[in-house]
Amino acid sequence: RKEVEQDPGPFNVPEGATVAFNCTYSNSASQSFFWYRQDCRKEPKLLMSVYSSGNEDGRFTAQLNRASQYISLLIRDSKLSDSATYLCVVTGSGSARQLTFGSGTQLTVLP
Amino acid sequence: GAVVSQHPSRVICKSGTSVKIECRSLDFQATTMFWYRQFPKQSLMLMATSNEGSKATYEQGVEKDKFLINHASLTLSTLTVTSAHPEDSSFYICSAKQGHWNTEAFFGQGTRLTVV
Repeated sequence: RKEVEQDPGPFNVPEGATVAFNCTYSNSASQSFFWYRQDCRKEPKLLMSVYSSGNEDGRFTAQLNRASQYISLLIRDSKLSDSATYLCVVTGSGSARQLTFGSGTQLTVLP
Repeated sequence: GAVVSQHPSRVICKSGTSVKIECRSLDFQATTMFWYRQFPKQSLMLMATSNEGSKATYEQGVEKDKFLINHASLTLSTLTVTSAHPEDSSFYICSAKQGHWNTEAFFGQGTRLTVV
């Protein structure tokens, strides 16, 4: 089983749609959780951290369920510019807190 | 956010040669740097964790004699791909963290290596 598993995608949605991505992680000792966005042939960029209480940043809402070891990302009113690959990222429990990446979910927002 | 500069962004080399990739944290001291490799349509795979002044910790399956990592200062880590082969062609990305505890990692721009 992979340490971090994501919806395989790809997701093709029309502009203005709401889309949700799911992610599960296997290590119950994982400490921190993030969603990163990666555009084609570019480096990943942090989209948002994910907290147990859930957090929202504009059109983006992230939620964490530690009991189920499950993370989600909701994008409302999707824009063309949201087209990218979304990576679920979990930090390990080791001292270096290295990031473990999910395989990513590709989103294409269509006009 | 903090800036991590990776150089070169693109390199083409002949099979059997070595290639050095630099990763610099420009406005913070990076206690830990990570090197990732990403093949087309796949996610980032951690190759090694590099701590300043100590030997890198390599992930299982990554040859430490082939992928030499040096973290000589708090702002610079280098990855040298030795005796490169076409199967080493990939996108290599570094990331750096300021502290150990649950802090954001900042990524370099990546290096696209093509071995011909």
